[in-house]
Amino acid sequence: QVQLVESGGGVVQPGRSLRLSCAASGFTFSSYAMHWVRQAPGKGLEWVAIIPYDGSSQYYADSVKGRFSISRDNSKNTLYLQMNSLRAEDTGVYYCARDQGWFDPWGQGTLVTVSS
Amino acid sequence: QSVLTQPPSVSGAPGQRVTISCTGSSSNIGAGYDVHWYQQLPGTAPKLLIYANTNRPSGVPDRFSGSKSGTSASLAITGLQAEDETDYYCQSYDSSLTAYVFGTGTKVTVL
Repeated sequence: QVQLVESGGGVVQPGRSLRLSCAASGFTFSSYAMHWVRQAPGKGLEWVAIIPYDGSSQYYADSVKGRFSISRDNSKNTLYLQMNSLRAEDTGVYYCARDQGWFDPWGQGTLVTVSS
Repeated sequence: QSVLTQPPSVSGAPGQRVTISCTGSSSNIGAGYDVHWYQQLPGTAPKLLIYANTNRPSGVPDRFSGSKSGTSASLAITGLQAEDETDYYCQSYDSSLTAYVFGTGTKVTVL
């Protein structure tokens, strides 16, 4: 079945970097655009970034532009999110999601905590 | 903050009908972009509930329905059940922000 599994979360100090991964299975990964969406503790959903099926471009929310980078390796069926210059407000659960014009399915999420 | 506004909470008795509004503007819902709805159970990832304004994915009960008009959209739950008590989010695209946007979220409580 279609499945997305995130990994790479953890506790990191402000200003440091972290790379998240999202392993896809059960569908032709290279045919779909992919998103990252995050959710701060007790808060709502916030879209982070999108990358088209071929990785030819990337688009970001203003809150992460210049600090985060989305990429993909279609040979490994894997999506990435490189997060640099992390801030306390970047703390939350990060989800990857497949784009079909809407977000479906979603991974289970990986928790990123930015704290000294 | 989100450009799509939802009521923080709605409630109803079992079996009743509740609606959740999602109010946007001329740069998102009013510009013709589709609205999608997600259900998020506590401690889990969001799940697609309604796509492209009115469509239910396979497996979603027909108690859930969506509509869109002008700069707003709505999610209706008829025959409210205890298992429907959770959080719901609308989502669309905003051409001014060039970003995908989510609603502020609504907590449904079954009395």
